[in-house]
Amino acid sequence: EVQLVESGGGLVQPGGSLRLSCAASGFTISRYWMHWVRQAPGKGLVWVSRSNSDGSVTEYAVSVKGRFTISRDNAKNTLYLQMNSLRAEDTAVYYCARAIAPPGTPDYWGQGTLVTVSS
Amino acid sequence: DVVMTQSPLSLPVTLGQPASISCRSSQSLVHSDGNTYLNWFQQRPGQSPRRLIYMVSNRDSGVPDRFSGSGSGTDFTLKISRVEAEDVGVYYCMQATHWPGTFGPGTTVDIK
Repeated sequence: EVQLVESGGGLVQPGGSLRLSCAASGFTISRYWMHWVRQAPGKGLVWVSRSNSDGSVTEYAVSVKGRFTISRDNAKNTLYLQMNSLRAEDTAVYYCARAIAPPGTPDYWGQGTLVTVSS
Repeated sequence: DVVMTQSPLSLPVTLGQPASISCRSSQSLVHSDGNTYLNWFQQRPGQSPRRLIYMVSNRDSGVPDRFSGSGSGTDFTLKISRVEAEDVGVYYCMQATHWPGTFGPGTTVDIK
């Protein structure tokens, strides 16, 4: 069974940092592109970042470029999102999801982890 | 970025009756490879999104056949032939033809 389990969310002050993890099971992430998508409370879905199968290609939404870094450890079957210089508008549930190579879209999603940026 | 719009944004339906959601894109979603990467996601209350339909009309594994997708170019439709209680939630269209991928605002389906 395909599973994605996010962790690392929590409350952080503006300007702070947080590292999210996404542990995969039931499949090998080295065969997939992996994405982060976020959803602010009561709002819609917004794509954040994606990484190709070996991590050599990474892409970001304009709103997080230069502040967030996606990475992966294929040996550990785990995806990461390092978030720096956090702002109140980054408050959201962050989902990781897998996809086949572009233009493939995310098919399996994790349950999400909540990040709250507030003083 | 491609702007996705949906209508209606709220859709009260009667159990057993059909439902239809429209999705429009600000530009054609036909990819240079000839395919159209328009997808539909369902998000039940308190759950993460689940992909229902990919490439306009292909149902994902395990998706009931009462769900169907259609359309071309810039206009797309998700239809539920007979709404069941478990279909309550928010439905999002998403395009992946022009990256970054963008989602519609969502259509909330609930029972009358």
